Amino acid sequence: GIQVEQSPPDLILQEGANSTLRCNFSDSVNNLQWFHQNPWGQLINLFYIPSGTKQNGRLSATTVATERYSLLYISSSQTTDSGVYFCAVERASNFGNEKLTFGTGTRLTIIP
Amino acid sequence: KAGVTQTPRYLIKTRGQQVTLSCSPISGHRSVSWYQQTPGQGLQFLFEYFSETQRNKGNFPGRFSGRQFSNSRSEMNVSTLELGDSALYLCASSWWGEGSRNEQFFGPGTRLTVL
Repeated sequence: GIQVEQSPPDLILQEGANSTLRCNFSDSVNNLQWFHQNPWGQLINLFYIPSGTKQNGRLSATTVATERYSLLYISSSQTTDSGVYFCAVERASNFGNEKLTFGTGTRLTIIP
Repeated sequence: KAGVTQTPRYLIKTRGQQVTLSCSPISGHRSVSWYQQTPGQGLQFLFEYFSETQRNKGNFPGRFSGRQFSNSRSEMNVSTLELGDSALYLCASSWWGEGSRNEQFFGPGTRLTVL
């Protein structure tokens, strides 16, 4: 199956700093999503971004599908940004829906 | 629109018992998927249902099963519980209409503890 690698696994930053999280995937994808998992376990949708660039407030994401990677940028970090960030992809298929395959996540800790 | 809802939120069972978890998708969404999250294995796909049919299945034993009803609500069942089944079980829904994008939205999860 498709492989999804996220880096770095852990990131500790001071409040106000910027960060870049990376997601590499091993095959063509129909779907790529970034999630933030809150302390209670719920996955919060950040971006649906199989290709291109999107921005939402302090967060932005870029996916370069031809090179099989995606980047999540967080600017001016706040303590509420702490948590685990997951990249998940759906492999491109002619047979309809495929499952979401998740990376192992990046644990972000923002220190006040 | 209300989000994906899952019940119960927390559950404690003993080995050998069985459990049923419920998921109500976002109104209008026709696809429901289930995932298991554990510290050791991360987030893993269990199965996906669309129009009451299982379309896709992950690599889990037959003790894990599910179904979808005509209103798109879904249940998953785990029989003969083992300690290793302790996990957060997440349900996701997506629209999957023609020309739609398959963006998945997740519920809050059911945290199952097997003693």
